[in-house]
Amino acid sequence: AQKITQTQPGMFVQEKEAVTLDCTYDTSDPSYGLFWYKQPSSGEMIFLIYQGSYDQQNATEGRYSLNFQKARKSANLVISASQLGDSAMYFCAMRVTGTASKLTFGTGTRLQVTL
Amino acid sequence: DAGITQSPRHKVTETGTPVTLRCHQTENHRYMYWYRQDPGHGLRLIHYSYGVKDTDKGEVSDGYSVSRSKTEDFLLTLESATSSQTSVYFCAISDDWNSNQPQHFGDGTRLSIL
Repeated sequence: AQKITQTQPGMFVQEKEAVTLDCTYDTSDPSYGLFWYKQPSSGEMIFLIYQGSYDQQNATEGRYSLNFQKARKSANLVISASQLGDSAMYFCAMRVTGTASKLTFGTGTRLQVTL
Repeated sequence: DAGITQSPRHKVTETGTPVTLRCHQTENHRYMYWYRQDPGHGLRLIHYSYGVKDTDKGEVSDGYSVSRSKTEDFLLTLESATSSQTSVYFCAISDDWNSNQPQHFGDGTRLSIL
């Protein structure tokens, strides 16, 4: 079975600062993908970034980057230059290859960006 | 944005009544999923479909059934709703079971069982 752990229920960061949201995962499968989603207060789920287990480089998408440490089974999301609009719930999720693309989610981290 | 429509968006009903939630997609994606979101649990998979009339259970399937008679529609039914099924329900779609493409989500249905 797969498991995702997000140990930070809530985080605060000042505007323009960088912030790291932690995610650790557990799987015995060698082929998997890791995703981060953002859920603003309006409720929709927004895809942010993807990292494959065989990818050699860390994924980046604009101000988002994924700090992938395979040996430690961690896939932390780094948001650079935080903006007020980054205030939201953030979910880490994993998909194991061959499981009909099903996602296993963590419990989420609520990020609050302050002035 | 992926063309996913969930209906209704909000529903309040009483314990013991049947409830059906609908997910409609215009992307012609093969895979469709129903999740529920509860505080402290993140999103949990209820049921999923890998084609017309092909469905399977997720981790929290008790008390729910699904049907998919057309590629574009995936229905979630609570045969006899209970208060523990009060939740926000999300539908998601995916075009390839083994790709790096993310699942795309509908806007959710907020269901309250009184």
